[in-house]
Amino acid sequence: KNQVEQSPQSLIILEGKNCTLQCNYTVSPFSNLRWYKQDTGRGPVSLTIMTFSENTKSNGRYTATLDADTKQSSLHITASQLSDSASYICVVKGAGSYQLTFGKGTKLSVIP
Amino acid sequence: DVKVTQSSRYLVKRTGEKVFLECVQDMDHENMFWYRQDPGLGLRLIYFSYDVKMKEKGDIPEGYSVSREKKERFSLILESASTNQTSMYLCASNNRGAHGYTFGSGTRLTVV
Repeated sequence: KNQVEQSPQSLIILEGKNCTLQCNYTVSPFSNLRWYKQDTGRGPVSLTIMTFSENTKSNGRYTATLDADTKQSSLHITASQLSDSASYICVVKGAGSYQLTFGKGTKLSVIP
Repeated sequence: DVKVTQSSRYLVKRTGEKVFLECVQDMDHENMFWYRQDPGLGLRLIYFSYDVKMKEKGDIPEGYSVSREKKERFSLILESASTNQTSMYLCASNNRGAHGYTFGSGTRLTVV
């Protein structure tokens, strides 16, 4: 069964610090992996999308990595800001499928 | 700016009522999706549509139906709302073969 596991479930960090969120998946065959940011009570917003051939992609202070061999991805947030407080969801799409497999998310709280 | 618009942010309905959740996208996307999101369970696919008048069941279609009479509009119908359908409902869309999905802001439905 296709699965996406994220860790940690929740994380509290001080403003200005860096953090790394993890995503492991079993989806096969693989098409792409996305990281979304979801503010409380809002829909997810895409941060990055990575295909099989990409192993690093940045979007401002967000940097995602992908190791398709070990089926692992990480999202690194640099110099965190209070507005980074949100849930971060890892989503994997299998090849030849409409469907996405969602992780349960990491809830990040950035405190002053 | 591309948009997926869900008609209501918050809805409160009574048990047994017929409920319509509306989703409209302005990007001429072929594919549209309805998900529900519950704490600890992540996003789960209810139904999706890959063309007008076409629909496919997702992982949890029971108690729901959908309608896609026009390309830009995808409606989720709760035939007889029940308290276990209290949830956050998210609509998404994309083009066939595209990597990215665009989500709406969500509808928080409470069934009392």
